[in-house]
Amino acid sequence: EPEVTQTPSHQVTQMGQEVILRCVPISNHLYFYWYRQILGQKVEFLVSFYNNEISEKSEIFDDQFSVERPDGSNFTLKIRSTKLEDSAMYFCASSLPSGTERYEQYFGPGTRLTVT
Amino acid sequence: KNEVEQSPQNLTAQEGEFITINCSYSVGISALHWLQQHPGGGIVSLFMLSSGKKKHGRLIATINIQEKHSSLHITASHPRDSAVYICAVNTGTASKLTFGTGTRLQVTL
Repeated sequence: EPEVTQTPSHQVTQMGQEVILRCVPISNHLYFYWYRQILGQKVEFLVSFYNNEISEKSEIFDDQFSVERPDGSNFTLKIRSTKLEDSAMYFCASSLPSGTERYEQYFGPGTRLTVT
Repeated sequence: KNEVEQSPQNLTAQEGEFITINCSYSVGISALHWLQQHPGGGIVSLFMLSSGKKKHGRLIATINIQEKHSSLHITASHPRDSAVYICAVNTGTASKLTFGTGTRLQVTL
C-alpha cells in the first residue's frame, strides 16, 4: 500500500541552525501539508501546498519557514534559523486533488526535531 | 476559526468494555476525521465522515451535523486499542485539518 515517508526520523540541531525536513508524498497525490505537534499539545496546521505554490498557511508559518517541491517526488520544509520553541514532531501529509477525496489526508510517520 | 473539543481527555478501561469518545466543533464542517496516534507518534486515519455512521471492525463513528457532534465507539476493547484518539475537521472548502486535543485511551487486562 502506498505511504508517505519522511526523513530523518529524528533531527537534533543547535539553535540558529538551518534544518530541512524531507517528505515523499504518495505518488498520485497533489495536495501536500505540513503539521507540527509540540510535545503534549495538539497537532497544528502549518502550511498546505498545491500546484507548486502555497495554498494556505497558518500564523505559525512565518518568514523562518519555507516549503519547496524541488523535484517530482520530494516535498521539503525548511526552517532557516531554528529556535528552541521549534522543537516538535513535524508531520507531512498528502491527499488527492479533487472533490471530497482531498479532505482525506495520509500522514507520514513524522520527524522529531530537537533544538538545543 | 473552528474550535474542536474532545472528551474525555483521558480514559482507562478494562478489556472488553465498550468505549465512547466524544468530539464537538463550533463551526459547520465539510468533513470530520477520527485519527489514531500510537506512542511512537505516527498518525493513522480511522474514519472520514460528513454524515451518518461508519463502521470498521470494532470501531464505529457517528456524526450529528445539526448538533455539531461526533462520537467514536470501540466495542469489546482490547489492550492494543491503547492510543491517543484525535478528532479533526475540515472547515468550508479548506483542505487543512483543525485538530482536537486528543483522548488518551488505556485499556488494561
